[in-house]
Amino acid sequence: AQSVTQPDIHITVSEGASLELRCNYSYGATPYLFWYVQSPGQGLQLLLKYFSGDTLVQGIKGFEAEFKRSQSSFNLRKPSVHWSDAAEYFCAAQDSGGYQKVTFGTGTKLQVIP
Amino acid sequence: SAVISQKPSRDICQRGTSLTIQCQVDSQVTMMFWYRQQPGQSLTLIATANQGSEATYESGFVIDKFPISRPNLTFSTLTVSNLSPEDSSIYLCSVEGTTGTDTQYFGPGTRLTVL
Repeated sequence: AQSVTQPDIHITVSEGASLELRCNYSYGATPYLFWYVQSPGQGLQLLLKYFSGDTLVQGIKGFEAEFKRSQSSFNLRKPSVHWSDAAEYFCAAQDSGGYQKVTFGTGTKLQVIP
Repeated sequence: SAVISQKPSRDICQRGTSLTIQCQVDSQVTMMFWYRQQPGQSLTLIATANQGSEATYESGFVIDKFPISRPNLTFSTLTVSNLSPEDSSIYLCSVEGTTGTDTQYFGPGTRLTVL
């Protein structure tokens, strides 16, 4: 069955430190990959997406993600975390072809300490 | 990206009643999706709604419990029927554009609490 795994339920980083959130997927073929962020009481905002091509994807708010086919991973990174980045982050995957179901990981809650 | 609004933003309902959630999009879209996010959990797809046809439900979700309407290309409703405390969740609608952008954009969600 198709699945998306985020092994870290909760991560705490200091403001200004670098961040990496892990994501692994299990799909028959390479899916489309996404990272969404959900701030408390808010909906989901798309940070970035990977469809094909360059394996390093730039997103909004200074985030980037790297697709590694050999590891079935799509890890999210940010070189310097800001207090406003505290939120829950969801990795998601979708079969290619348009209008397909999106499968979400269980989320990683990021806490930023001063 | 599409701008999506949902009504109500939150509600508290009594056991056995129903709640209808509205989702409005600022542009015409082919597909609309309804998700449930239970407390502390990830998102689970309830159903996919295509204008002019019946919604397609995921395993574990049935039309009698979650009837969906999709009267036009900018609007959909999800009703959660015969409420129980286990239905307490955030319900989100999402859309994917008519050109098949392969990206889903989400509304702000409706937080439902069932007493």
